[in-house]
Parts: sequence; C-alpha cells; structure tokens
Amino acid sequence: EAQVTQNPRYLITVTGKKLTVTCSQNMNHEYMSWYRQDPGLGLRQIYYSMNVEVTDKGDVPEGYKVSRKEKRNFPLILESPSPNQTSLYFCASGLRGYTQYFGPGTRLTVL
Amino acid sequence: GQQLNQSPQSMFIQEGEDVSMNCTSSSIFNTWLWYKQEPGEGPVLLIALYKAGELTSNGRLTAQFGITRKDSFLNISASIPSDVGIYFCAHGSSNTGKLIFGQGTTLQVKP
Repeated sequence: EAQVTQNPRYLITVTGKKLTVTCSQNMNHEYMSWYRQDPGLGLRQIYYSMNVEVTDKGDVPEGYKVSRKEKRNFPLILESPSPNQTSLYFCASGLRGYTQYFGPGTRLTVL
Repeated sequence: GQQLNQSPQSMFIQEGEDVSMNCTSSSIFNTWLWYKQEPGEGPVLLIALYKAGELTSNGRLTAQFGITRKDSFLNISASIPSDVGIYFCAHGSSNTGKLIFGQGTTLQVKP
C-alpha cells in the first residue's frame, strides 16, 4: 500500500530535550516536506526536499533541522524543543513538487 | 513574506446547496492545489491546477486557476454530508516543492 508513515503519532516532552520525528514514504517520491498545523494558521511549510541531500527552508524553519540521506526518509529534528513548537506536524511526499501525499500527523506537546 | 488569503473562513450550508470558496495570493507561482482535511486525518489532494485559466473537475468539485495567476476558486455542487471538512488552497512551485497554504475554509453541511 502506497503511504507516508510518521512516528511517533503522539509525543509529550519537556523543554530542551532533543527529539526526532521520523517520516518514511514507499512511493519512490523525490519531493518530501514537513508542515506544522496550528489553529487559525493553516499549514505552514517547515522544510522541503527536492531529492537526496537537497533541502531548503520553508516559511517557519527556526528551531528545526532536517536531513535527507535516503530517498525514502526525511526525519524532522528538534534540537531543543520549546513550548511554542507544540503543534500538529505532517510529513508529505510527492512525485512532483505539487503532488503531495500527507502522512497521518504527529501531535507534539512541549511542556 | 508571501501570503495566501482564503475565504470564507467557515460555511454552514444545507445539504444539496452549492458551495464556492476562493484564494488570493500576493505572489505568482505556477501551481494551485486544493486539499480537503477530515478530522484526525492528513490533508488529501483534491485538484491540482498547472496553468492560468485552467478549469478542472473532480466529480462534484470544480476548480479554476485564475487568469492573473494570483487567485483560484473551488466550487462544490449539490453538497452532501460527507463534504464536511476543512478545505485548503495551496500555491507554489512545482519545480521546488515549496508550498504556501491558505488558512482553510471549514465546511459544515446540515442534512
């Protein structure tokens, strides 16, 4: 089954404790992205990647890191999480930049 | 930065009515996308538009890429209860994968 998977689906952590949210797609897509969704603000792109080792900042990259060492994986790293990063996070992939399939989401709470 | 204004913010309609929503952008890109998000799920791509003036249908949904390349419209005909959800427009570059989302239109349908 073609899908984008994210783990964990839910995470509660404390300020400053490094965390990684994994994302994997099995569709051999070149493009992958991370978004955060907050009430009233819609979805905002954090980082996007056009291919292995090629990444670029979206609209809200501060406090996040990504890496694209393999085509299928695109982890999101929060080196020192803060409460304002409490949000719903989505990973997405696409064969072309605009054809995006979203994962099920990761709900992160930073205390 | 770039902004995308989506309206209306919410709609409460009777089953069987037609629905219209739109998005306007401060920038010109080469792609308009429309997504639907149901509670607890990631967004699902409904329609992708690639050139100015393009009109595309997907069942009861019809979307248009505005001539100015700065706006797009989504129409839903003869609404049904399963149309309930949040509809997002997105505007971006198919070359890079960069996307900007609108704030969303929440649609509620009364049976």
